[in-house]
Amino acid sequence: SQQGEEDPQALSIQEGENATMNCSYKTSINNLQWYRQNSGRGLVHLILIRSNEREKHSGRLRVTLDTSKKSSSLLITASRAADTASYFCATDGDSNYQLIWGAGTKLIIKP
Amino acid sequence: DAMVIQNPRYQVTQFGKPVTLSCSQTLNHNVMYWYQQKSSQAPKLLFHYYDKDFNNEADTPDNFQSRRPNTSFCFLDIRSPGLGDAAMYLCATSDRLAGDLGTKNIQYFGAGTRLSVL
Repeated sequence: SQQGEEDPQALSIQEGENATMNCSYKTSINNLQWYRQNSGRGLVHLILIRSNEREKHSGRLRVTLDTSKKSSSLLITASRAADTASYFCATDGDSNYQLIWGAGTKLIIKP
Repeated sequence: DAMVIQNPRYQVTQFGKPVTLSCSQTLNHNVMYWYQQKSSQAPKLLFHYYDKDFNNEADTPDNFQSRRPNTSFCFLDIRSPGLGDAAMYLCATSDRLAGDLGTKNIQYFGAGTRLSVL
């Protein structure tokens, strides 16, 4: 089932600008992940943040988590054309094996 | 490199003609998943295997079947494809034997098979 919501649905920015995407979820979680999907390809895991963490960095990626608001944000700094992709958040939800996916944000970086 | 490989990348079939999609992995992960993804939507889980234990999602149509003959391979069979089954089909794996809860949840995806139904 898909319980996550992401906004915006689509985002178009100039190369070099920062891109921020938001994700909200409904159930309690152990961790939250962000994945990237290039057009016509599979998803690639980017970063995982645990429920007891508030912020995490990986290269140009910064993820925040607010469990009181059941929300997370993904910031991509100094965007590049290669960052053009769809970005999905996913939470572990109630099941140990399944992920609950957000609807995704389509990011377009204009050169 | 260890990876998840899906074949073929593109598959065209006729309405009602059975089709099989394949997935193999060299990660030695014990869980394998099949997802259906339609344009601009989140992936929708069809079923997953924990080792040989098959777990079907409640809303997965009977038209979809799966086989996992061994740890490395998993197949998706669509018995009578309809026009509504045209989609991207994604295979993924996860390592539920990992010691860390976070690591257990990470899924590794193949590049997908784009299915067209004529």
